[in-house]
Amino acid sequence: NAGVTQTPKFQVLKTGQSMTLQCAQDMNHEYMSWYRQDPGMGLRLIHYSVGAGITDQGEVPNGYNVSRSTTEDFPLRLLSAAPSQTSVYFCASSSLAGTQYFGPGTRLLVL
Amino acid sequence: KQEVTQIPAALSVPEGENLVLNCSFTDSAIYNLQWFRQDPGKGLTSLLLIQSSQREQTSGRLNASLDKSSGRSTLYIAASQPGDSATYLCAVGEAGNQFYFGTGTSLTVIP
Repeated sequence: NAGVTQTPKFQVLKTGQSMTLQCAQDMNHEYMSWYRQDPGMGLRLIHYSVGAGITDQGEVPNGYNVSRSTTEDFPLRLLSAAPSQTSVYFCASSSLAGTQYFGPGTRLLVL
Repeated sequence: KQEVTQIPAALSVPEGENLVLNCSFTDSAIYNLQWFRQDPGKGLTSLLLIQSSQREQTSGRLNASLDKSSGRSTLYIAASQPGDSATYLCAVGEAGNQFYFGTGTSLTVIP
């Protein structure tokens, strides 16, 4: 049982490049979400999903896209990277209203 | 918008001491509150989840309480150990699957 996995662990991008952060869970959880963690600001919710085919925006969705074609996977796409998107990104999953389980994070640096 | 505050931002205690970490939130219309620990460079590990209908939860040396009407939660750690050194985060869950995190309390337990 791997829990929540994220790839890559670390990525460097140039401004304007696009990329996809991968997230997968093997606990059959309905709810999956993406957060970014910045110094002094805590974790902020980017996008979330309550099941396959259903996604919604969190607190800071601009510049990011998500899709949920399967229960297991919830990729986060950066369409045109900006230095302001330099952050640590965490994926989490849970049953609805249950304990959230977090992945190990992806450190993203945008130059 | 929900605001979550954790005080103090940092705490240093000698080993063996009992301690209390505080979390306050501005909107009492929550459906759960979760406490996490985060070790440097790592993801978040869930400690305790309190549903809105509950007043407290216990796990080992940890006890978390919730007072929705006053917008407060406390995490009590008994007989602290050096291995408890980490950042402790609280997160408030609202209807609509929005979650809001505090910025954390950095705890150091001195041997």
